Amino acid sequence: SQTIHQWPATLVQPVGSPLSLECTVEGTSNPNLYWYRQAAGRGLQLLFYSVGIGQISSEVPQNLSASRPQDRQFILSSKKLLLSDSGFYLCAWSDYSGANVLTFGAGSRLTVL
Amino acid sequence: AQSVTQPDIHITVSEGASLELRCNYSYGATPYLFWYVQSPGQGLQLLLKYFSGDTLVQGIKGFEAEFKRSQSSFNLRKPSVHWSDAAEYFCAVGAVDNYGQNFVFGPGTRLSVLP
Repeated sequence: SQTIHQWPATLVQPVGSPLSLECTVEGTSNPNLYWYRQAAGRGLQLLFYSVGIGQISSEVPQNLSASRPQDRQFILSSKKLLLSDSGFYLCAWSDYSGANVLTFGAGSRLTVL
Repeated sequence: AQSVTQPDIHITVSEGASLELRCNYSYGATPYLFWYVQSPGQGLQLLLKYFSGDTLVQGIKGFEAEFKRSQSSFNLRKPSVHWSDAAEYFCAVGAVDNYGQNFVFGPGTRLSVLP
């Protein structure tokens, strides 16, 4: 069966520091991968999605970036965090077979101080 | 582009009462529709999905949803709410484009359950 792992679960970082959140999927190949952000009391905002290694689509311009160095690995990064980057970050995957469901990781809580 | 609205930000019901959470979508073709639930500090869990066929779909935890094309709605229902159903509920629409499948979520409805 497929599983998705996301880490770290919680992170407290000072403004201006770098960020790296990692997500891996097991039990499938060539998944579509997604990064969402959920600000406090708000819905989900799609940040990036990827249909293959090195193929990243950015939905919202910001100081975050994403990379997909391996088929089942998706990394969210920032060189310098802003206060506004605080939030709950969710990685998700879906099968690249047309209509299918989105399966989420447990999330990473980022607090920027 | 597709969009999703959930008119109710917060709903409070008593345990044992029935529940209906509203969802309206905008999409030019037949949508793929989903309901997810999120407990505090957790990821989202799929409750049910509609792809095609029977417009009344059954999900986990006793939830069901009905797709009404004429109203562009996909409302979630449960006949008798349990205290453990208190959570945030998200409606989503999926569409396939050249880059794969794109999912758009509504703003969510927070459900509180009174004992």
